[in-house]
Amino acid sequence: AQSVTQLDSQVPVFEEAPVELRCNYSSSVSVYLFWYVQYPNQGLQLLLKYLSGSTLVKGINGFEAEFNKSQTSFHLRKPSVHISDTAEYFCAVRSISGNTPLVFGKGTRLSVIA
Amino acid sequence: EAQVTQNPRYLITVTGKKLTVTCSQNMNHEYMSWYRQDPGLGLRQIYYSMNVEVTDKGDVPEGYKVSRKEKRNFPLILESPSPNQTSLYFCASSPRGGADTQYFGPGTRLTVL
Repeated sequence: AQSVTQLDSQVPVFEEAPVELRCNYSSSVSVYLFWYVQYPNQGLQLLLKYLSGSTLVKGINGFEAEFNKSQTSFHLRKPSVHISDTAEYFCAVRSISGNTPLVFGKGTRLSVIA
Repeated sequence: EAQVTQNPRYLITVTGKKLTVTCSQNMNHEYMSWYRQDPGLGLRQIYYSMNVEVTDKGDVPEGYKVSRKEKRNFPLILESPSPNQTSLYFCASSPRGGADTQYFGPGTRLTVL
């Protein structure tokens, strides 16, 4: 089974500052990794995902994440945040083998302060 | 427009009164899933379906039922709702499982009194 730990439940940051949202996972098998974003009063949408190949993945809205297999991490970064980035961010994993569920972390609430 | 729709968006009901939350997708996706979202717990999967007539339990299936008679629809049934089922529910679909992106509906906020 897989599990995901998002190390920060809330992250406040000033507008135009950089941000990193941390995600660590546990799995005995290889996994796919995802970051989803949930804007207020909306469903989730995909920011980016890592399947294989280059460990640096670029997503929408200027976000990127780096897969680190040795540290079992998949941290999300943005060099300069905007007010509109205020949302909840979820890291998720899924085994590459078999029809297994997508397992989500508990989420990190990013608040961008003007 | 490609989308996942859920109805109703908001529902207040009483303990024990059977209810159904509908979910429909127009993308011809094989995989569909139901999640509940609770503060501090993130999203937890209730049930999922790999294809028509194929359903399986997720992490928190107790108190819920689902059916998948058609590819586009995946209703969530609460036969006898209880207050601990008060939550925000999301339906999602994807072409298949694995690496495929899941597309989420707008959510249904359920309150059981």
